Amino acid sequence: KNEVEQSPQNLTAQEGEFITINCSYSVGISALHWLQQHPGGGIVSLFMLSSGKKKHGRLIATINIQEKHSSLHITASHPRDSAVYICAVLSYNTDKLIFGTGTRLQVFP
Amino acid sequence: EPEVTQTPSHQVTQMGQEVILRCVPISNHLYFYWYRQILGQKVEFLVSFYNNEISEKSEIFDDQFSVERPDGSNFTLKIRSTKLEDSAMYFCASSDEAGGKGEQYFGPGTRLTVT
Repeated sequence: KNEVEQSPQNLTAQEGEFITINCSYSVGISALHWLQQHPGGGIVSLFMLSSGKKKHGRLIATINIQEKHSSLHITASHPRDSAVYICAVLSYNTDKLIFGTGTRLQVFP
Repeated sequence: EPEVTQTPSHQVTQMGQEVILRCVPISNHLYFYWYRQILGQKVEFLVSFYNNEISEKSEIFDDQFSVERPDGSNFTLKIRSTKLEDSAMYFCASSDEAGGKGEQYFGPGTRLTVT
């Protein structure tokens, strides 16, 4: 079983829809990262969080440490949001990121 | 905005050859990482590096791999004798803090193809 599970694996949406991507993990962590991987392969860090909620523009990330679960929300989705969204956790007391398999999002106009 | 750079963007090599992948981290960062992503698979941690030594490595990072920071700006990953299964995208990242306290900034990646 993977230590980091994401759902759904693939997601298709119409422009303007509200998107939720989920991440569950089974290890103790010190932080959780949400990353965006563009079709060309480049990876951009969206959020790093260890508790609560963070917001940046149309993106919101939440984490529930007790439930070992995080969600990434995209409000008013746009075709340019089409990418693979990756959840990665930093295992407690290490400097090693453990990655999920990613959620491929396609937003159509 | 400062960014992590990697060269080359694509490297093709024959099995058994040595390759060196190069990264220039963000200048005031102290923590450096290499990751790889085999086509169609998830990103995997290879190694973390701080204060001129490896701080952590994965089981993938065997004796064929080495890292160094030869001149205070470059951060390199060397694969001594490449295998077909080393074909992957290799990402470098840097951070100003370790242990989950600092955001990691990723380079654009080097696509390694071993034939």
